[in-house]
Amino acid sequence: DAGVTQSPTHLIKTRGQQVTLRCSPISGHKSVSWYQQVLGQGPQFIFQYYEKEERGRGNFPDRFSARQFPNYSSELNVNALLLGDSALYLCASSLRLAGSNPTGELFFGEGSRLTVL
Amino acid sequence: GQQLNQSPQSMFIQEGEDVSMNCTSSSIFNTWLWYKQDPGEGPVLLIALYKAGELTSNGRLTAQFGITRKDSFLNISASIPSDVGIYFCAGLNYGGSQGNLIFGKGTKLSVKP
Repeated sequence: DAGVTQSPTHLIKTRGQQVTLRCSPISGHKSVSWYQQVLGQGPQFIFQYYEKEERGRGNFPDRFSARQFPNYSSELNVNALLLGDSALYLCASSLRLAGSNPTGELFFGEGSRLTVL
Repeated sequence: GQQLNQSPQSMFIQEGEDVSMNCTSSSIFNTWLWYKQDPGEGPVLLIALYKAGELTSNGRLTAQFGITRKDSFLNISASIPSDVGIYFCAGLNYGGSQGNLIFGKGTKLSVKP
């Protein structure tokens, strides 16, 4: 069975550019969450989408946006890139809404490594 | 905001030794989770803890959820080279508008054969 798949795996952008990252959840999972992991740190929550609706947002500027499609795949968009946006962007999927009781396991993809020059 | 303090930051041990790492928080969590992350990979769940005081094992790994719900530890017995990686604790609360995991900064484990 396919796990969480993310694309692209690596990409390089310059300051001011825009980037779109993609995520396909595990089949049957309706929740997708996005996390940013800066080198040497733990992942930080950006968004959660469930049934195509935003259900949670972390402390990130409005340059970050996301959406979820009818097939439950998701895109994360970052506009006006800054050097500090360089990070590993992780997508996680779960069967239920993360934060419901019980949540069940969140499965992470391998991430998209973004470098901003 | 909520923060998790994870210690130690890094560990260098000999193969066969036991390992212990812990995580503390200033606030309560409903669920504590322990993840392992290998280079170039996403985090993989090792153990999930749902009840205060709960002690759970997964092979050579044992984790406990503190009584106060503000701390947890992870033990690895008889370490082997494939245990190398970064171990993260994470807390999760039910309800609210977030439903997000709060991660610690990780413990980097190195194992000398």
